[in-house]
Amino acid sequence: SQQGEEDPQALSIQEGENATMNCSYKTSINNLQWYRQNSGRGLVHLILIRSNEREKHSGRLRVTLDTSKKSSSLLITASRAADTASYFCATDAGLTGTASKLTFGTGTRLQVTL
Amino acid sequence: GAVVSQHPSWVICKSGTSVKIECRSLDFQATTMFWYRQFPKQSLMLMATSNEGSKATYEQGVEKDKFLINHASLTLSTLTVTSAHPEDSSFYICSAPRGYTFGSGTRLTVV
Repeated sequence: SQQGEEDPQALSIQEGENATMNCSYKTSINNLQWYRQNSGRGLVHLILIRSNEREKHSGRLRVTLDTSKKSSSLLITASRAADTASYFCATDAGLTGTASKLTFGTGTRLQVTL
Repeated sequence: GAVVSQHPSWVICKSGTSVKIECRSLDFQATTMFWYRQFPKQSLMLMATSNEGSKATYEQGVEKDKFLINHASLTLSTLTVTSAHPEDSSFYICSAPRGYTFGSGTRLTVV
């Protein structure tokens, strides 16, 4: 399966600033998710947005989805050093209501400095 | 919530040996398990889908004879890397469809 593209590949910001990452994908989807991964460790699920949703919030996270452009963005507000990690979008193109295999984006490496 | 236990979390093996990675669904039954691989500084790619009671489905380019997948029961799926070589060094992670539950991953280093 072809991966989605994320940009930027790497992002370095100072603590307190906002970080925005973008994801583009290729096929119609059931939902899109964002994950965080610290130093090649396991995945932490951040947020899931369904194909019929346009925006979703969770704490300092804001996700948008534009299915017409096949793109999504993740905004992290008031970033902290602990947000330093790699962030991946992942799409599920399976049947609605059934979790299926995911196609991951290429990832964005975020570095938050003090 | 649903939990998938994966072990070992890391393993170092000699070239030519085989390594088995296990994923167990602890509080639910998983008829399907997805196996992903992540090379250093790259993204995750689906390798194969294991199905309880039937053969696994492999993604294009993944060697079936090298990466043996067995879904022995409704709570256990295993991935065996046979005759491992340094290029197989990677992070392997499983996921059950229920709630997109991921294991904690296995870092394999072949020396």
